[in-house]
Amino acid sequence: DTEVTQTPKHLVMGMTNKKSLKCEQHMGHRAMYWYKQKAKKPPELMFVYSYEKLSINESVPSRFSPECPNSSLLNLHLHALQPEDSALYLCASSQVGGDTEAFFGQGTRLTVV
Amino acid sequence: GQSLEQPSEVTAVEGAIVQINCTYQTSGFYGLSWYQQHDGGAPTFLSYNALDGLEETGRFSSFLSRSDSYGYLLLQELQMKDSASYFCAPYSSASKIIFGSGTRLSIRP
Repeated sequence: DTEVTQTPKHLVMGMTNKKSLKCEQHMGHRAMYWYKQKAKKPPELMFVYSYEKLSINESVPSRFSPECPNSSLLNLHLHALQPEDSALYLCASSQVGGDTEAFFGQGTRLTVV
Repeated sequence: GQSLEQPSEVTAVEGAIVQINCTYQTSGFYGLSWYQQHDGGAPTFLSYNALDGLEETGRFSSFLSRSDSYGYLLLQELQMKDSASYFCAPYSSASKIIFGSGTRLSIRP
């Protein structure tokens, strides 16, 4: 199984809503990532978890709150988002360390209204 | 700090060869990876170079020169399905994978 599964595929939320994005992998990977991608732009790294601990936060606003409940799951909790946060949110996983490839989920298309 | 440069667009003819260059400045550099992304799709891994030299995987090859902070992706026998965006992505310490700005490759019949 080389799949990273993200749910939901699409999400529309208001600026006062609270929602969560979910990501799951069963490849035994101990590094998991959240990326944000706007149209015609590269994926932009948000967070990295290594062995279920947050190792990198790329100065992401606190309205985005990541969580790694176990080695297979990664969540992104959303609260009080702005319309400019509308984007494709991609989850990825890989082995920890170099010489490895990252596997990406199909993403959640988020629209903030 | 980090900086990455790759051409924004490349156009080539079906059956031809194209090279996409990438120059980088990355602290804690481990190696250089390449990803392909079709419109509406997720990035997919193409190759990874940790050492200097050429790595070949089928129609795709990737090259790295650590001393020059430079790499390239070589695509041979281009097919229409190769039309996509290609990203170089240096891999650095703490499992950090940062994507370059991307090169949009268009293939003409």
